[in-house]
Amino acid sequence: NAGVTQTPKFQVLKTGQSMTLQCAQDMNHNSMYWYRQDPGMGLRLIYYSASEGTTDKGEVPNGYNVSRLNKREFSLRLESAAPSQTSVYFCASSEGPRYSWGFGIFNEQFFGPGTRLTVL
Amino acid sequence: DQQVKQNSPSLSVQEGRISILNCDYTNSMFDYFLWYKKYPAEGPTFLISISSIKDKNEDGRFTVFLNKSAKHLSLHIVPSQPGDSAVYFCAASREGSSNTGKLIFGQGTTLQVKP
Repeated sequence: NAGVTQTPKFQVLKTGQSMTLQCAQDMNHNSMYWYRQDPGMGLRLIYYSASEGTTDKGEVPNGYNVSRLNKREFSLRLESAAPSQTSVYFCASSEGPRYSWGFGIFNEQFFGPGTRLTVL
Repeated sequence: DQQVKQNSPSLSVQEGRISILNCDYTNSMFDYFLWYKKYPAEGPTFLISISSIKDKNEDGRFTVFLNKSAKHLSLHIVPSQPGDSAVYFCAASREGSSNTGKLIFGQGTTLQVKP
């Protein structure tokens, strides 16, 4: 199992260019997520898909669009890149919330290796 | 509005000693908490989690404590090893009401374990 894979690993864009970041998971997970990581900011949720066929905005959705192509794949598109979108982007997936007797809720997310994007 | 805060950007401990990483949250509706570890140029990896019905969860050298009245959780690593040197993120979610799995992350704490 490859887990969560992301392409590309690195990308340099000029302001105004567009690109799509690809993400795929082979764990048959229902939910998928896109985050960005910036220094001192932790990881912030951009968009998520709780199940195939649904997508919703996260904390920082402006300037991005997503497509849940099928259960395995969840892509993130920058239509007109801006320097403020320079960041490291992580895709994640999870089975969804489960409830375990004695433990309560359980719902860990598994992350891909990330895409480092620079917008000049 | 930072709902999950890790107020210590960095922590340095000696190998073999205890590492204690702290995390505070503001939203009393959070019902599930996680810790992730991240090495440079890699994605975060899940370490340990705790549901709000518990106040402690252990997994080997890692223990997470949850104090709901103080809205505080901590991760204890005993004994610390040089391979534990990484950035640690705490995260929280409101699974009970939203069922979406959305996580809110803290800013991260860089742990350095010295040999």
